[in-house]
Amino acid sequence: NAGVTQTPKFRVLKTGQSMTLLCAQDMNHEYMYWYRQDPGMGLRLIHYSVGEGTTAKGEVPDGYNVSRLKKQNFLLGLESAAPSQTSVYFCASGRGQAHLSGYTFGSGTRLTVV
Amino acid sequence: SQELEQSPQSLIVQEGKNLTINCTSSKTLYGLYWYKQKYGEGLIFLMMLQKGGEEKSHEKITAKLDEKKQQSSLHITASQPSHAGIYLCGADGKAGTALIFGKGTTLSVSS
Repeated sequence: NAGVTQTPKFRVLKTGQSMTLLCAQDMNHEYMYWYRQDPGMGLRLIHYSVGEGTTAKGEVPDGYNVSRLKKQNFLLGLESAAPSQTSVYFCASGRGQAHLSGYTFGSGTRLTVV
Repeated sequence: SQELEQSPQSLIVQEGKNLTINCTSSKTLYGLYWYKQKYGEGLIFLMMLQKGGEEKSHEKITAKLDEKKQQSSLHITASQPSHAGIYLCGADGKAGTALIFGKGTTLSVSS
């Protein structure tokens, strides 16, 4: 089925380790987003991209980097993981600006940093 | 910045009962989205509302946006166990950025 695919689904990291979360969409969407979801905090935007080669900071960007080298992929990197980055990470994509269309979400990556 | 408040934070209803979830914005809404999330899964898009007074229905779920476009409600009629999950409302953030979300309402349906 077409949609948004996130890899990996689960990961445990040690403090200080690095990793990259991959998001791939096959709907030819221009816009892509990374959110994190924490208990009692809802979904918070980390970074987003409005097209290939572009990225921008969201509400909670510290400790994360992103890249959008290809239109279909949006990578989220953690250079030096911290326990505060334990969370569920969701990627989403959309056709246009937020108010013109809804988003399609991936199934999430559950990350634990010990 | 815009904030979305959802109420209640959680609720438990008996199967067959009706329920309402509210989403209130600190600013005028230009697009209001309702999503449902089952535990351990991603968000599923339910409905989008744009016009003041607009109402949409899908199966037994009805969403409304008030005339002033600052409040939306999600109403479930004759709830079923399949309705259980987390309901989130989302709205436009700063122009050209991304959706912001409320903290969610956790719904449990007891049979």
